[in-house]
Amino acid sequence: SQQGEEDPQALSIQEGENATMNCSYKTSINNLQWYRQNSGRGLVHLILIRSNEREKHSGRLRVTLDTSKKRSSLFITASRAADTASYFCATDRNDMRFGAGTRLTVKP
Amino acid sequence: DVKVTQSSRYLVKRTGEKVFLECVQDMDHENMFWYRQDPGLGLRLIYFSYDVKMKEKGDIPEGYSVSREKKERFSLILESASTNQTSMYLCASTWDIQETQYFGPGTRLLVL
Repeated sequence: SQQGEEDPQALSIQEGENATMNCSYKTSINNLQWYRQNSGRGLVHLILIRSNEREKHSGRLRVTLDTSKKRSSLFITASRAADTASYFCATDRNDMRFGAGTRLTVKP
Repeated sequence: DVKVTQSSRYLVKRTGEKVFLECVQDMDHENMFWYRQDPGLGLRLIYFSYDVKMKEKGDIPEGYSVSREKKERFSLILESASTNQTSMYLCASTWDIQETQYFGPGTRLLVL
């Protein structure tokens, strides 16, 4: 399966700091997506980055993709307590698979 | 606005019961998915459907079946619920299997 593997498993930072989460995958992809999940809820799509893109922005979020290393990173700038959630990456290939996620805690 | 709804937020069933989890999307999406989510294991794909009456097994289909009689509705069936099926169940849909998935709020199932 074309599953993304997120790291770290957990991340705890202070409000205002920047957060970095990573995703590794194993084979070639057409696109990679990042999702957020607030506690006990469904996943919400954040950003889709295609294999021919290297970087993408959405508000305080920035996603990079390095296809040579098979790695993507999600950066959250000036984090807020409301950013506390689990973050997942998923890659395509007929169907989407998700890793175990990174649990981000932003302390006020 | 995109909407995926699931029939129940919380459900308590007894071992051996037949359980139906319903998912409805209003976006005319071709593709629908059922996942279960357990601590430390992330989301695991149970089944997906790419068209009415079509279904494909995911990574953990054992103990589950699905039904897609109408495009907007994808049902997950636990023929005989067991305690190891206690989990959070998430439904999702997408117009293209390689594009954004839209998730429902989830159903937390407890099997006693």
